[in-house]
Amino acid sequence: GESVGLHLPTLSVQEGDNSIINCAYSNSASDYFIWYKQESGKGPQFIIDIRSNMDKRQGQRVTVLLNKTVKHLSLQIAATQPGDSAVYFCAETSSGSARQLTFGSGTQLTVLP
Amino acid sequence: DGGITQSPKYLFRKEGQNVTLSCEQNLNHDAMYWYRQDPGQGLRLIYYSQIVNDFQKGDIAEGYSVSREKKESFPLTVTSAQKNPTAFYLCASSWDSSSGANVLTFGAGSRLTVL
Repeated sequence: GESVGLHLPTLSVQEGDNSIINCAYSNSASDYFIWYKQESGKGPQFIIDIRSNMDKRQGQRVTVLLNKTVKHLSLQIAATQPGDSAVYFCAETSSGSARQLTFGSGTQLTVLP
Repeated sequence: DGGITQSPKYLFRKEGQNVTLSCEQNLNHDAMYWYRQDPGQGLRLIYYSQIVNDFQKGDIAEGYSVSREKKESFPLTVTSAQKNPTAFYLCASSWDSSSGANVLTFGAGSRLTVL
């Protein structure tokens, strides 16, 4: 899961396996969540989002699960590919405003050949 | 292609110098933002602007200044008052940030190193 600090959590998976990246949040009022992917030296890219009235949302090869009871968010990547290697981080807001987004520190995903 | 362009990609500065990072967007977005990213930490908001000629401080505005004279442009100046300016700076934009959840579109970033 994500944490604040100098060292990113890391996850290594074999190519073709599924990846699960976790994110814990602390604000029980948070009602909108986003996952971003950031490749080395580049800006973050939007992957998928979910509102608090849902507990699951699927995209292409990605699924986000939201457990509001324990304030936990996860990103599942199916059939992980080398191009999925990146830092993944979640962001959340309680106001519905991009101005109020709080970002996690990220998880480094490495896909092994 | 629509997007956000940041320049320069890499910048070196001597202590005591001000530097300005450029950010231009052609997405017709109303709101623009500057974030700072340090290793192992989440993005922290420096300044944001919801409309031309208006901007507000974010969580770590000290030592930085911005302007929003045009909708497309939101330059960030890192002043000599910023005590630890070495970082990766990200510019982003979105539709009006004050209404409804919306997604940020980010630029490729500018890496500033103080020598």
